[in-house]
Amino acid sequence: NAGVTQTPKFRVLKTGQSMTLLCAQDMNHEYMYWYRQDPGMGLRLIHYSVGEGTTAKGEVPDGYNVSRLKKQNFLLGLESAAPSQTSVYFCASSYSTGSTGELFFGEGSRLTVL
Amino acid sequence: GENVEQHPSTLSVQEGDSAVIKCTYSDSASNYFPWYKQELGKGPQLIIDIRSNVGEKKDQRIAVTLNKTAKHFSLHITETQPEDSAVYFCAAYQAGTALIFGKGTTLSVSS
Repeated sequence: NAGVTQTPKFRVLKTGQSMTLLCAQDMNHEYMYWYRQDPGMGLRLIHYSVGEGTTAKGEVPDGYNVSRLKKQNFLLGLESAAPSQTSVYFCASSYSTGSTGELFFGEGSRLTVL
Repeated sequence: GENVEQHPSTLSVQEGDSAVIKCTYSDSASNYFPWYKQELGKGPQLIIDIRSNVGEKKDQRIAVTLNKTAKHFSLHITETQPEDSAVYFCAAYQAGTALIFGKGTTLSVSS
């Protein structure tokens, strides 16, 4: 089973460039999430989705957009990348939420913005 | 919104010792508290969780305790082994949103 797959795994951007991170899950999960991980800051929720066609803001949504056009895919977009967005990005999915919603994470996408 | 504080940020123990990581949360409505382990170069994985109607839960060498009144919960690892070395995250489920994570604890177990 592939589980949660993130592409690309590494990317270097220049300030002002745009890019999209793709997350795909094959577990038929309703819920999907994007987190960023920075040294000393832990995992911070950027955006999440409770089902196909829905998105919602998390803790640190500014500078990012997301789309969930298909149940299995959750895209994270950076329209104009900034050095502050240098981070490791993790996508996760879950069958449900709350106390029955174990998160399954991808292996991360390391983004560097110069 | 929910805020989760985690301590310590780093923890070094000798193999066979116990390790304790503590977390506090701010939203009294939060009702689910999982712990995730992240090995180098990988995504976090769930290792144990506890719900607000339970005070303690054990799974072999790992245990979690919850004090709802004080709004804090802890992870206890006994008889630590080198393969326990990793980053550990606590989290709290904020009703209506998603899991909010602490900043992580880097555990190093030396043999």
